[in-house]
Amino acid sequence: DSGVTQTPKHLITATGQRVTLRCSPRSGDLSVYWYQQSLDQGLQFLIQYYNGEERAKGNILERFSAQQFPDLHSELNLSSLELGDSALYFCASSVENEGEQYFGPGTRLTVT
Amino acid sequence: LAKTTQPISMDSYEGQEVNITCSHNNIATNDYITWYQQFPSQGPRFIIQGYKTKVTNEVASLFIPADRKSSTLSLPRVSLSDTAVYYCLVASFMNSGYSTLTFGKGTMLLVSP
Repeated sequence: DSGVTQTPKHLITATGQRVTLRCSPRSGDLSVYWYQQSLDQGLQFLIQYYNGEERAKGNILERFSAQQFPDLHSELNLSSLELGDSALYFCASSVENEGEQYFGPGTRLTVT
Repeated sequence: LAKTTQPISMDSYEGQEVNITCSHNNIATNDYITWYQQFPSQGPRFIIQGYKTKVTNEVASLFIPADRKSSTLSLPRVSLSDTAVYYCLVASFMNSGYSTLTFGKGTMLLVSP
């Protein structure tokens, strides 16, 4: 158990819909990272927040957005969902910027 | 941006030493290299991290040559439970103040009896 929690574990929704994925980092960690993992694309970094502020952006689509709240939990919002958005979405946390990251169990999103 | 290249797969037998190399030709001076292990349907797990020369912990060693254009993860005496995908991560800090994280495609290690 990494100490990082993600909800929900599974999510099935239809194209065009919007969903919110939630992540709670390990106690004391200030950085939260979001990743997307699909079979054909591997592990893709989406975005990082550090102590409430956006720190780094990777291959995140404009339809996706994220935020980190004062209690340090984070949410990833995915809108106008497409079939290709079906993937495992991982959240990770670390004490500071980059470095050793602890990954959550992931949310499996299926878009039908 | 540092881009990484790893072998797609490797095979080994129980008890052998396994070395997985990651190429990162454009690595910057303040980048560091981190390796992760991932089992199916689980989140990656941190293995080891280094900047240069050699780093060793209780599960692996990481060798980084002087030019830092590659790194090698060494797993001593692998067991069946080491069958997993291994990712090389290079952290890049850009002048804009943002840092970007580049994972490699991963190496699928299969350990056989």
